[in-house]
Amino acid sequence: DQQVKQNSPSLSVQEGRISILNCDYTNSMFDYFLWYKKYPAEGPTFLISISSIKDKNEDGRFTVFLNKSAKHLSLHIVPSQPGDSAVYFCRRGMDSSYKLIFGSGTRLLVRP
Amino acid sequence: GAVVSQHPSRVICKSGTSVKIECRSLDFQATTMFWYRQFPKQSLMLMATSNEGSKATYEQGVEKDKFLINHASLTLSTLTVTSAHPEDSSFYICSAPRGGETQYFGPGTRLLVL
Repeated sequence: DQQVKQNSPSLSVQEGRISILNCDYTNSMFDYFLWYKKYPAEGPTFLISISSIKDKNEDGRFTVFLNKSAKHLSLHIVPSQPGDSAVYFCRRGMDSSYKLIFGSGTRLLVRP
Repeated sequence: GAVVSQHPSRVICKSGTSVKIECRSLDFQATTMFWYRQFPKQSLMLMATSNEGSKATYEQGVEKDKFLINHASLTLSTLTVTSAHPEDSSFYICSAPRGGETQYFGPGTRLLVL
């Protein structure tokens, strides 16, 4: 059961431009989402989150948008930098089991 | 600094041998820890939930006799890959929750089975 889906396995953008990573979810009851960034041979690190009471959360170059009617969230990175090249995972908030359910990830390449 | 550690960071073993990977929470107690496996095509798959003082809970399709999990203390969980085969070669990551939505991930362990 794929509760969160990232349909784009990869994305390539030019340095300085905007990167938009997308995530869809299946259950309108999900009320909290998080984005993680993962470099090769490292564990994921938390990037930014959003609660369903908001439709936007911004932290520096990173903004997450939540479209509840479409059950869709997106992560915008502006301006993109080569150091942003990594795999990005979205996940829904934990249920009572505390299990983390991740999307399949999108590999972002920012070209210098 | 890191709050969850994994050891070893890399391991190479021969087919048929067993490999133990440790996951430690460094400055907090974790009654629950999670083990993930990252496949070559990048997806991060939850393998099992490690529970201190009780049996681990395995996700569908994960062989519990193959991937033995022991949560020996409130700061240590171990994953043992038994009778490893080349297809077990992967990147294994653990995580531990620390209040609310906060989850800390270990740095991962690269396993290569020859």
